[in-house]
Amino acid sequence: SQQGEEDPQALSIQEGENATMNCSYKTSINNLQWYRQNSGRGLVHLILIRSNEREKHSGRLRVTLDTSKKSSSLLITASRAADTASYFCATVVPTGGGNKLTFGTGTQLKVEL
Amino acid sequence: DTGVSQDPRHKITKRGQNVTFRCDPISEHNRLYWYRQTLGQGPEFLTYFQNEAQLEKSRLLSDRFSAERPKGSFSTLEIQRTEQGDSAMYLCASSPSGQTANTGELFFGEGSRLTVL
Repeated sequence: SQQGEEDPQALSIQEGENATMNCSYKTSINNLQWYRQNSGRGLVHLILIRSNEREKHSGRLRVTLDTSKKSSSLLITASRAADTASYFCATVVPTGGGNKLTFGTGTQLKVEL
Repeated sequence: DTGVSQDPRHKITKRGQNVTFRCDPISEHNRLYWYRQTLGQGPEFLTYFQNEAQLEKSRLLSDRFSAERPKGSFSTLEIQRTEQGDSAMYLCASSPSGQTANTGELFFGEGSRLTVL
C-alpha cells in the first residue's frame, strides 16, 4: 500500500520557472527520500532528508520536512525541459525491513520550452 | 555498466503462462528488493533479500509469485499462471551492505514490463 499522497498529481510549467511538489505520509519515519522516474524507466534517487533535519539542498533541489505535519516538499528551481518526469517521495519507517521504501503516488511534472 | 540490470525489459505473455524475471544487482550490494508498479502509481514493495535470505514478503506477493536469490547475487521473480491483473512494471533495486536506518538510498534497475493478454 502507498504510504502517502503527493500533490499535485500533475504540474505543467514553463522552462525557467520553479516547481514545487508536496508529499504527505502517515507514520513516523527514519528518513524521507525523493526519486525521479522518466517515462518507462527505473527510478533515480535525488535526495534524502533524515527525520531530524528540516531542510536540505542539492544543486537546484531543495527539500523540506515537517515531521509534526507529516509532510515534505520538493522544490526544483530554474526548471529545464529535461526535468520533465514523475517525482516520487518515499519513506523509510523505523520498523521496516532493511531499508524498505514505501512510495507515494507521484507528481508528473512537465516543463515546456 | 555497473548498475542494476533486469532482464527481459519487456515480456508479453498469454494469461495462464508462467514468466520469470531476472535481476542482477550492483555487485557489492547485499540487499535486493522487488517492487511492482502499475500505470500512474508509485512502486509497491513485494519482497526483500539480504544475501540469500528472503527477509520480508508483502501481502501483494500471492502464492503464484516466488522470488529467489540462491547464491546471494542475482535474483529471479517467477509468476505462475499469470493473470491480466499481473500486468505491471516489475522493478528491482539493490542497496549496499552496512547501510544504517538513516541512509537507505536504493539503486533501481530499468524494470521489466509485463503485459498479460
